[in-house]
Amino acid sequence: ETGVTQTPRHLVMGMTNKKSLKCEQHLGHNAMYWYKQSAKKPLELMFVYNFKEQTENNSVPSRFSPECPNSSHLFLHLHTLQPEDSALYLCASSQDRGSNTIYFGEGSWLTVV
Amino acid sequence: QQQVKQSPQSLIVQKGGISIINCAYENTAFDYFPWYQQFPGKGPALLIAIRPDVSEKKEGRFTISFNKSAKQFSLHIMDSQPGDSATYFCAASSLDTGGFKTIFGAGTRLFVKA
Repeated sequence: ETGVTQTPRHLVMGMTNKKSLKCEQHLGHNAMYWYKQSAKKPLELMFVYNFKEQTENNSVPSRFSPECPNSSHLFLHLHTLQPEDSALYLCASSQDRGSNTIYFGEGSWLTVV
Repeated sequence: QQQVKQSPQSLIVQKGGISIINCAYENTAFDYFPWYQQFPGKGPALLIAIRPDVSEKKEGRFTISFNKSAKQFSLHIMDSQPGDSATYFCAASSLDTGGFKTIFGAGTRLFVKA
């Protein structure tokens, strides 16, 4: 059983919809991440939160909006997405942003139609 | 400078054979090289990692070989089993800057035939 839980596991949304992805980690970690995984491409880091503060935003379009209410929860709010945003979105955590071992959730498969 | 190049993209190995996945990096500041294993429907999980002060690290059937001068490292899976069928990602980071700066390779999809 993974220490990082993501919901929903699958999501289909239209380009005008608003939806959110949720992540919860049960590991007592202080850093949380959102990654995008597309076929045959390296994992793309999107956002990093350390002690609830956003420390990294890797030029992610504003149609993706993260929220971190506490060190255990992370959300990714989605609005007016494009079909090319269809991918597996992985939440991850580490002890803190300086820790080199990253623990991933099982991901949320997003399809934008 | 920040890329980690991984090959092959996919690999088919007979049961009992040796699977070899190669990675190359450019940034000499990298000093931590993990491998992650991802099964279908699951997230990646740390498999094994190496630091550049050693040339090889072995854990069970999994071995990382590291060539600092060539800036290359590879994963060897001995006696490959069907249960090893998964996607493998190499990665690189700096222990000073931390895991959030981890750069991942594009992944190798391994299929072990029974």
